[in-house]
Amino acid sequence: AQSVTQLGSHVSVSEGALVLLRCNYSSSVPPYLFWYVQYPNQGLQLLLKYTTGATLVKGINGFEAEFKKSETSFHLTKPSAHMSDAAEYFCAVSDTGGSEKLVFGKGTKLTVNP
Amino acid sequence: DGGITQSPKYLFRKEGQNVTLSCEQNLNHDAMYWYRQDPGQGLRLIYYSQIVNDFQKGDIAEGYSVSREKKESFPLTVTSAQKNPTAFYLCASKRELGFGYTFGSGTRLTVV
Repeated sequence: AQSVTQLGSHVSVSEGALVLLRCNYSSSVPPYLFWYVQYPNQGLQLLLKYTTGATLVKGINGFEAEFKKSETSFHLTKPSAHMSDAAEYFCAVSDTGGSEKLVFGKGTKLTVNP
Repeated sequence: DGGITQSPKYLFRKEGQNVTLSCEQNLNHDAMYWYRQDPGQGLRLIYYSQIVNDFQKGDIAEGYSVSREKKESFPLTVTSAQKNPTAFYLCASKRELGFGYTFGSGTRLTVV
């Protein structure tokens, strides 16, 4: 069974600082990996995804993530935080089988301080 | 624009009542999903459907029911058997393998 662990339920950074949100996964098959962002009382929006190919993937709003198979990690980064980045972020993993159900981490709430 | 529409945005239920949450998509996606979100617990899968007239239980299906009579629609009924229904419910659909989900804006259900 697949699972996702997001280290840190809350992360606080200053505006302009590096954002690093950690995600580790377990999967018995090559995974597909996703990061989603959620603003209060809204649905989830896809930030970026890794399926195959290049292990460094770039997403929207200046975010990127690197797939490291040896570390079973898919950490999300942004060089310089903006106030508008304050939201909750979810890492998710799916298998490459037919159902492709997504398994989500518990989320990390990002606070950006002025 | 194509997307997923969930209605209503807010829903209040009395103890012992069944309520139905609507989810409609015009993306022509085959697969649709219902998740429940509680603070600090992430998203948990309730039911999913990969094709019309077929659906499977997810991790927390007890107290819920679904139907998939049309490709565009995947309504979720929260029955009186669900003892703790207060939560944020999210519907999603998927285009094809590897593309991730498209989510609706959610329905917040509160028991009063």
